[in-house]
Amino acid sequence: NAGVMQNPRHLVRRRGQEARLRCSPMKGHSHVYWYRQLPEEGLKFMVYLQKENIIDESGMPKERFSAEFPKEGPSILRIQQVVRGDSAAYFCASSPGTTGNTEAFFGQGTRLTVV
Amino acid sequence: TQLLEQSPQFLSIQEGENLTVYCNSSSVFSSLQWYRQEPGEGPVLLVTVVTGGEVKKLKRLTFQFGDARKDSSLHITAAQPGDTGLYLCAGVRDKIIFGKGTRLHILP
Repeated sequence: NAGVMQNPRHLVRRRGQEARLRCSPMKGHSHVYWYRQLPEEGLKFMVYLQKENIIDESGMPKERFSAEFPKEGPSILRIQQVVRGDSAAYFCASSPGTTGNTEAFFGQGTRLTVV
Repeated sequence: TQLLEQSPQFLSIQEGENLTVYCNSSSVFSSLQWYRQEPGEGPVLLVTVVTGGEVKKLKRLTFQFGDARKDSSLHITAAQPGDTGLYLCAGVRDKIIFGKGTRLHILP
C-alpha cells in the first residue's frame, strides 16, 4: 500500500512562472490537506479538499494560489506568477475521513525554490 | 496569532539526560497529536491522545494530554542521539493545526 506520493520532490521556478504541485493520496483516502512549511517553522494549513470539493481554504493566500482534487487523478496545488516568498516546502496529507476521527498521513513534500 | 505554542523552540542536551517538551493552547481540541520530522521528509505521526488526562508511552517517550484537552507534553527519558529531530504538536478538529515545533539535538 503506497503512501502519499508527492511530485516533484524539488521544483525550481523563475519569478513569474507557474508552479504545479501534485499529490496522490493513499488508496481509499478521499480527503486531502495541503500545508506550507518555511525553514525552521511548523506546518501552516492551506486548504482541505474532498473529491471535487473545497471544504476549507481559510489558509490559502487570496491571490495566485488555487487547489483542486478532481474525481480522477491527483490533487493539484497551483501557484501562478511565483515570487521569491513562495519558496517553501509544501506538504500534502490524506485521510479516509475527517481528521477528527482518523489519522492523516503525510507525503515527503515538494520543495519549491523561486529564483 | 499562534494557536498552539510549543516550548522550548530549541533544546540541546547530552545523551542520557531526560527532557520535556510542552504544547499549550487556549483552545480545546478533539485530540492532540505529536509528530517527528526529519530533514527533507514529511512529518511522521508518533501518537494521538484523545481523552483528557490520557497518558501514552512509546518506549522512552511519554505523552500526556491535559485534563482540559488544551495542552500536552512529551517527555523523553535517557535521550539518545537518534532522538534528534523536529518534534511537532498538532491539534485536531476538522483539520490538523500545527505548532512551530521544538528542534531537539542530542549530543553524544
